[in-house]
Amino acid sequence: AQTVTQSQPEMSVQEAETVTLSCTYDTSESDYYLFWYKQPPSRQMILVIRQEAYKQQNATENRFSVNFQKAAKSFSLKISDSQLGDAAMYFCAYWAGSYQLTFGKGTKLSVIP
Amino acid sequence: DAGVIQSPRHEVTEMGQEVTLRCKPISGHDYLFWYRQTMMRGLELLIYFNNNVPIDDSGMPEDRFSAKMPNASFSTLKIQPSEPRDSAVYFCASRGIGTVNTIYFGEGSWLTVV
Repeated sequence: AQTVTQSQPEMSVQEAETVTLSCTYDTSESDYYLFWYKQPPSRQMILVIRQEAYKQQNATENRFSVNFQKAAKSFSLKISDSQLGDAAMYFCAYWAGSYQLTFGKGTKLSVIP
Repeated sequence: DAGVIQSPRHEVTEMGQEVTLRCKPISGHDYLFWYRQTMMRGLELLIYFNNNVPIDDSGMPEDRFSAKMPNASFSTLKIQPSEPRDSAVYFCASRGIGTVNTIYFGEGSWLTVV
């Protein structure tokens, strides 16, 4: 069974600094997708960034980027120039074909002014 | 393009009452998912549909829960009778062929059963 592990229940970062959230996963599939979702206090699940496993290039969306290490089954999220609005729960998620989207337990990110 | 639309956003109900949560997926999306989020169990997939057909309902906790998708633009999740342990945020999400296998979530329905 696919599993997603986020080993950092909580993280904090100073405003304008950079922070990296960790995620590892377990799968026997070769073709799959990985995601980071942000959940602010409003509880809405917001897609932050997406990575296709067949692509070697790391995905980037403005201040958000990933470090995808397929062999190590690692998918970390880097947030640069952190802003107060980045404070939220961040969920790493895995999807392969018709399988369900599998989520990690989440990392709570606090941004210190 | 409107996102996934859920209603109600918040509901407080008494134990034993019937609860119906509603979802309108993104137009053109062929997969629809119902998730439940609690502090104890995190995000759990309850059921998902493909082209209005239920594919996997193994996550539905018990017979008190039922879900339907009568057409491509509407789905319901019903709890009858409701219990306090059903209190959670319920998310509907959808996915379409043209969205590079990305699932888009609604804003959630926050259910409290007292």
